[in-house]
Amino acid sequence: KQEVTQIPAALSVPEGENLVLNCSFTDSAIYNLQWFRQDPGKGLTSLLLIQSSQREQTSGRLNASLDKSSGRSTLYIAASQPGDSATYLCAVQNNFNKFYFGSGTKLNVKP
Amino acid sequence: SAVISQKPSRDICQRGTSLTIQCQVDSQVTMMFWYRQQPGQSLTLIATANQGSEATYESGFVIDKFPISRPNLTFSTLTVSNMSPEDSSIYLCSVNRGSDEKLFFGSGTQLSVL
Repeated sequence: KQEVTQIPAALSVPEGENLVLNCSFTDSAIYNLQWFRQDPGKGLTSLLLIQSSQREQTSGRLNASLDKSSGRSTLYIAASQPGDSATYLCAVQNNFNKFYFGSGTKLNVKP
Repeated sequence: SAVISQKPSRDICQRGTSLTIQCQVDSQVTMMFWYRQQPGQSLTLIATANQGSEATYESGFVIDKFPISRPNLTFSTLTVSNMSPEDSSIYLCSVNRGSDEKLFFGSGTQLSVL
């Protein structure tokens, strides 16, 4: 069964710092990998999706990479802002339309 | 993208009662997914709702506790029945769409059971 792990569980950084969030998965037979942002008590907002044939995707200050063979993805956030404070989750989709979620990284960006 | 309206956004309920959560999508989708997120935890899939057939439940979830309706291709409901404090969670509906099967979520229902 696919297992998704996110490290670190929590992260606190000063405003302006660049940071990296990590996601690892045990089964490399994935269809895609998606990064989400979740604010407290709310639903998930999609940030980036990387298909299995791709290596990275970029949106504004966010860059996500995928190394399928080693079962790893990273989310890079440049020039962090207090508004980036949230929980970030990664999810992998297998070839049978099933999604597996990590437990998230709770990010706090201090002004 | 997909616009998913979910309501209620939050509720506080008494033990033993039931709550029905509604999820409306802005266009037709084949499958709708219902997730539970317990405090401090990640998401757990409860069931997949298909229009015109019974929902498919994941291990540990049963229809008597979480009945689901799917009357058409844009709407679904999840009922949390005979609630106990252990049911206090965020409940989320989601759909995937597009050639890349991107996953979209409703805004969530934060349920507290006293």
